[in-house]
Amino acid sequence: DTAVSQTPKYLVTQMGNDKSIKCEQNLGHDTMYWYKQDSKKFLKIMFSYNNKELIINETVPNRFSPKSPDKAHLNLHINSLELGDSAVYFCASSPIQGAGTGELFFGEGSRLTVL
Amino acid sequence: DQQVKQNSPSLSVQEGRISILNCDYTNSMFDYFLWYKKYPAEGPTFLISISSIKDKNEDGRFTVFLNKSAKHLSLHIVPSQPGDSAVYFCAAIDQGGKLIFGQGTELSVKP
Repeated sequence: DTAVSQTPKYLVTQMGNDKSIKCEQNLGHDTMYWYKQDSKKFLKIMFSYNNKELIINETVPNRFSPKSPDKAHLNLHINSLELGDSAVYFCASSPIQGAGTGELFFGEGSRLTVL
Repeated sequence: DQQVKQNSPSLSVQEGRISILNCDYTNSMFDYFLWYKKYPAEGPTFLISISSIKDKNEDGRFTVFLNKSAKHLSLHIVPSQPGDSAVYFCAAIDQGGKLIFGQGTELSVKP
């Protein structure tokens, strides 16, 4: 049974469209994250939620809007997609806020391609 | 500006030999470091960590060394096995509790 699951795994769409990526964790963790792996391969944090509350919001365009309906889910909605949004997006969770000892549990990633 | 860097995008090693993956950081305030391992089409998984109060941490075939004065850490895998072939990410926890990752090094262990 997958601990952190993301859907869809692959997403190809046109510029200007709006799309969502969903994430669910069944580990009972309080904190969830979205990371973006760009073309240079760095994994960069975008958002962090602790028990449905936004904790970290990096300098991400406001076209990106995370939503956490409950502490087991953190979805990412992207409006007006641009070519530069093409990346692999990883959801992750951790048992405590602030990354603690840094042990995050990642999903498999969602590869977004914007044409 | 990237605070955690892995300057070798790839490394190829013979099975049974030692693999040494390197990582440099710029922020002297980082006090906890980690290595993650990532297989294709999977998310990164935690491998080993080290606190800045130590200079070495060992877990089976994996050892992480920290040189604070040089702002450098390395991961040693001995002996390397084909199943170790993966991308290895170095990471550090910043003062705000965020995990800052490097860009990864792809290790290939050849039989």
